[in-house]
Amino acid sequence: DSGVTQTPKHLITATGQRVTLRCSPRSGDLSVYWYQQSLDQGLQFLIQYYNGEERAKGNILERFSAQQFPDLHSELNLSSLELGDSALYFCASSVGVGVSYNSPLHFGNGTRLTVT
Amino acid sequence: KNQVEQSPQSLIILEGKNCTLQCNYTVSPFSNLRWYKQDTGRGPVSLTIMTFSENTKSNGRYTATLDADTKQSSLHITASQLSDSASYICVVSDLYGNNRLAFGKGNQVVVIP
Repeated sequence: DSGVTQTPKHLITATGQRVTLRCSPRSGDLSVYWYQQSLDQGLQFLIQYYNGEERAKGNILERFSAQQFPDLHSELNLSSLELGDSALYFCASSVGVGVSYNSPLHFGNGTRLTVT
Repeated sequence: KNQVEQSPQSLIILEGKNCTLQCNYTVSPFSNLRWYKQDTGRGPVSLTIMTFSENTKSNGRYTATLDADTKQSSLHITASQLSDSASYICVVSDLYGNNRLAFGKGNQVVVIP
């Protein structure tokens, strides 16, 4: 068990809708990362938060947004959903502001989003 | 072009046999390379990590090698078990701020009895 908790495990919704994915990082970890993994695609970095502040941005669409709360949990909001947004969304956490030899990423088990 | 390329994309091996997965990268300046194992429906779990000064690292039946000169790494699975069926992801970190990560698409391994 990585200690990273993601909810819900599965989510089925219709096109045009909005959903919120939730992540609780490992105890003591200050950074939270969000990744998207589509079928046959590698993990695509979306966004990172460190101690409540946005730290780095990847290939995140404007329809997507995230935030990290004072208790360090994070939420990823996906709006105006399209069929192509169907994917596994992973949250990961690390101790420090970045990833290093002694500060690896710890991944949750993901939220599987299906847009119909 | 992806900075991390893995091959083969997928392979099927008999239980008890060995296999080797390849990872080529172009990330520079190089910091470290990790191999992750991702079981179906689960998040990736770190298997090994190597810096430029380490050319081999073992974790049980998993042995990773690194050639920082040719920018190649391999993951060797010895005496495969059914539980080794998974995707193996190569992740390379650079030396810039926040140690940015480049992910390979993974090697999908299926072990059959």
